[in-house]
Amino acid sequence: AAGVIQSPRHLIKEKRETATLKCYPIPRHDTVYWYQQGPGQDPQFLISFYEKMQSDKGSIPDRFSAQQFSDYHSELNMSSLELGDSALYFCASSSQGEGNTGELFFGEGSRLTVL
Amino acid sequence: AQKVTQAQTEISVVEKEDVTLDCVYETRDTTYYLFWYKQPPSGELVFLIRRNSFDEQNEISGRYSWNFQKSTSSFNFTITASQVVDSAVYFCALLEIGGGFKTIFGAGTRLFVKA
Repeated sequence: AAGVIQSPRHLIKEKRETATLKCYPIPRHDTVYWYQQGPGQDPQFLISFYEKMQSDKGSIPDRFSAQQFSDYHSELNMSSLELGDSALYFCASSSQGEGNTGELFFGEGSRLTVL
Repeated sequence: AQKVTQAQTEISVVEKEDVTLDCVYETRDTTYYLFWYKQPPSGELVFLIRRNSFDEQNEISGRYSWNFQKSTSSFNFTITASQVVDSAVYFCALLEIGGGFKTIFGAGTRLFVKA
């Protein structure tokens, strides 16, 4: 069965550079979430999209932006990167339709290292 | 206020021991879901179980069992006869239906199972 696909899996950037992470949700899932997990920390919710509209916002820095496209894939754009942005970024998808279980299906994560 | 509390930061056991991971949650919603996720050293988040707030039946799946008690707002996870492959970080998570379908994670419990 198709899972959530994230790319790239690993990314190395320098301070003040820009990075873009991509997420392809499970087909027919209508909601995409982005989480940031710093070293030794729990995943922190950044932002979510439902049917291509932003549905909720968490602790996402102003330097970050995200959107969901017509094909339901989502991109997280991070600018003016800082050392503290080094983390594992998870994308997850779920279905809020009838029979929704609330379960998040996670991608394998994109590991961003800022030097 | 932290909504999901995993008081045990690290647990170390010897193979074949039973181990219980504690999770206490806080919510004002009457409808919510609770989850456990496993994060092995490879980094991906693996779904283990989902419980909705109306189903307090305990569940057993192989060596895993879960004890959900609304009266104490707890959703504890027990691994019976632990194995080295169980070594991972385990996250308890809460999804409040009235909270925009945003899943909040506890801080995680790192389990070490020694041979």
